[in-house]
Amino acid sequence: LAKTTQPISMDSYEGQEVNITCSHNNIATNDYITWYQQFPSQGPRFIIQGYKTKVTNEVASLFIPADRKSSTLSLPRVSLSDTAVYYCLVGLPLFSGGYNKLIFGAGTRLAVHP
Amino acid sequence: NAGVTQTPKFQVLKTGQSMTLQCAQDMNHEYMSWYRQDPGMGLRLIHYSVGAGITDQGEVPNGYNVSRSTTEDFPLRLLSAAPSQTSVYFCASSYSTTLSSGNTIYFGEGSWLTVV
Repeated sequence: LAKTTQPISMDSYEGQEVNITCSHNNIATNDYITWYQQFPSQGPRFIIQGYKTKVTNEVASLFIPADRKSSTLSLPRVSLSDTAVYYCLVGLPLFSGGYNKLIFGAGTRLAVHP
Repeated sequence: NAGVTQTPKFQVLKTGQSMTLQCAQDMNHEYMSWYRQDPGMGLRLIHYSVGAGITDQGEVPNGYNVSRSTTEDFPLRLLSAAPSQTSVYFCASSYSTTLSSGNTIYFGEGSWLTVV
């Protein structure tokens, strides 16, 4: 079973837009794609979720192409406080029982510089 | 509504000792799971449960046991601690395993475990 694939790290500067892409070739038909943010010494927290096309909230936008095999998290005008690890999460179906293992990838470590 | 509560927050163990990390949630979630996170690394799934009485292995289950006697509690047991188990442990819960609209995962604050 393939896991999600994201860049290991990215660097940006304050005020820039940051786009983080995640590949998920084995996404299940009914699964949504969810992104989480994790600051040091804290548990991950929910950022945004989507199924297809585009979703936008007060924090970020999420772009999902028609084949749903990838997704892109877009952070507009990042600040120093956006420095964190970002995880793309999709459920991976088991072959029996129908339950999904919710497996995180390695995440993308975003560093925002002054 | 406390969400997901983990105890203890910090623990130091000697090699070979056993201990239990406690996790409780008050959201009536069916799905609960344990992850470990080593320094500078991502989250790795240890064990998970889709309901009371049902548990299964994740990516890195060796050295850990779990049980789910109630919907609210999902303790993680280290039977014989080893230095390789030094890590931060996160408990998580969600309404189901299907990442459908509105269903997200809630995480505890983490338990820092050091095995010497």
